[in-house]
Amino acid sequence: GAVVSQHPSRVICKSGTSVKIECRSLDFQATTMFWYRQFPKQSLMLMATSNEGSKATYEQGVEKDKFLINHASLTLSTLTVTSAHPEDSSFYICSARGDAHQGYTFGSGTRLTVV
Amino acid sequence: GQNIDQPTEMTATEGAIVQINCTYQTSGFNGLFWYQQHAGEAPTFLSYNVLDGLEEKGRFSSFLSRSKGYSYLLLKELQMKDSASYLCAVREVFSGGYNKLIFGAGTRLAVHP
Repeated sequence: GAVVSQHPSRVICKSGTSVKIECRSLDFQATTMFWYRQFPKQSLMLMATSNEGSKATYEQGVEKDKFLINHASLTLSTLTVTSAHPEDSSFYICSARGDAHQGYTFGSGTRLTVV
Repeated sequence: GQNIDQPTEMTATEGAIVQINCTYQTSGFNGLFWYQQHAGEAPTFLSYNVLDGLEEKGRFSSFLSRSKGYSYLLLKELQMKDSASYLCAVREVFSGGYNKLIFGAGTRLAVHP
């Protein structure tokens, strides 16, 4: 079945630094990647949608200059949290979908803690 | 915009049956998904409905009524490991084929012996 690998699974960083999260589709071409954020005991909130080779579409209220998304290939998308602050601490999850794979496959998530 | 509602919490007894409801109001509806999520883990796919009716898959069944904007997830023969959050998600399709999956707040199910 379709597999999406997300790294790192956990990261602790200092306030003001940047963190990059990678999401790779291992056995299918992901034409579309979705990035979600989830706070404790809350549901997944869509942050942005990225299509390979084009700029990401951000949801209302999500700062595109703070959450940089790159989807340069059909198997890799990255989310960079720039100048991280404690309020950015959250669980970030990617989801991938391809033309030949119509379902939504989730990565295992990244627990970000900003101290 | 979109609005997806489901109960916040439910409790049930091991071996019993539980039904988790979801109502939605969206534009460009193109399918409804149910996911299971254990704390600290990514969601795992349970079911998908795009046409009205019941989809059965083992102990789990999901129902959809598009005219009513309503779905439910039915879990039979509950097991302790079924204690988790259950997320209702609606796929919206926009012009040009752009689509996105929007999640409800989730229902935390606690299964007791």
